[in-house]
Amino acid sequence: QVQLQESGPGLVKPSQTLSLSCTVSGGSVTSSGYYWTWIRQHPGKGLEWIGYIYDSGRTYYKSSLNSRATISVDTSKNQFSLRLRAVSAADTAFYYCARTKGPLYGLDLWGRGILVTVSS
Amino acid sequence: EIVLTQSPGTLSLSPGETATLSCRASQSVSSNYLVWYQQKPGQAPRLLIYGASNRATGIPDRFRGSGSGTDFSLTISRLEPEDFAVYYCQQYGNPGITFGGGTKVEIK
Repeated sequence: QVQLQESGPGLVKPSQTLSLSCTVSGGSVTSSGYYWTWIRQHPGKGLEWIGYIYDSGRTYYKSSLNSRATISVDTSKNQFSLRLRAVSAADTAFYYCARTKGPLYGLDLWGRGILVTVSS
Repeated sequence: EIVLTQSPGTLSLSPGETATLSCRASQSVSSNYLVWYQQKPGQAPRLLIYGASNRATGIPDRFRGSGSGTDFSLTISRLEPEDFAVYYCQQYGNPGITFGGGTKVEIK
């Protein structure tokens, strides 16, 4: 059974870079056809798509993040990662990694989420 | 960017009743690309419906998705205690993914 697990610092200082990883267990991050996705949720608010990586390296991001986000895959660790640069308090949120087989399908597998707080 | 507007914001119902949730898009969405999720407090969202009307694995048939174009709905028949949660619609567009703001189904 494939599972996803987010990991990374729970506290990041303003203007620094948020770095999170999502470990894929019971399966492979190189499995073809999957979009490995990051989503966040501000406390008490709705869901916000950040971006995804697919086709062994193609990426797509939410435009309003102003190019601050980078998603990558580390096949040696069976992980995919999110880096979000120049964070502010507005980036405080629960961050989820998730998987989809593409637009015809939903996000069928999610990690449990990790709370990241941006504060000095 | 396509904006999804969900209504009502909150639905107060009793177990056994039927919930009808609406998701309206700012422009036409391919039915193939409309998805519904359920989220309970402290948990990640769970996939319910994809392709507007296809139930995900393990989802009971009291959950039904329908709609096309700009108007989609999720109907939950015979509400069970575990169905009280927040529901989000989602669409795949160009570019990327957008979510609706959510509808909370609460116990009356």
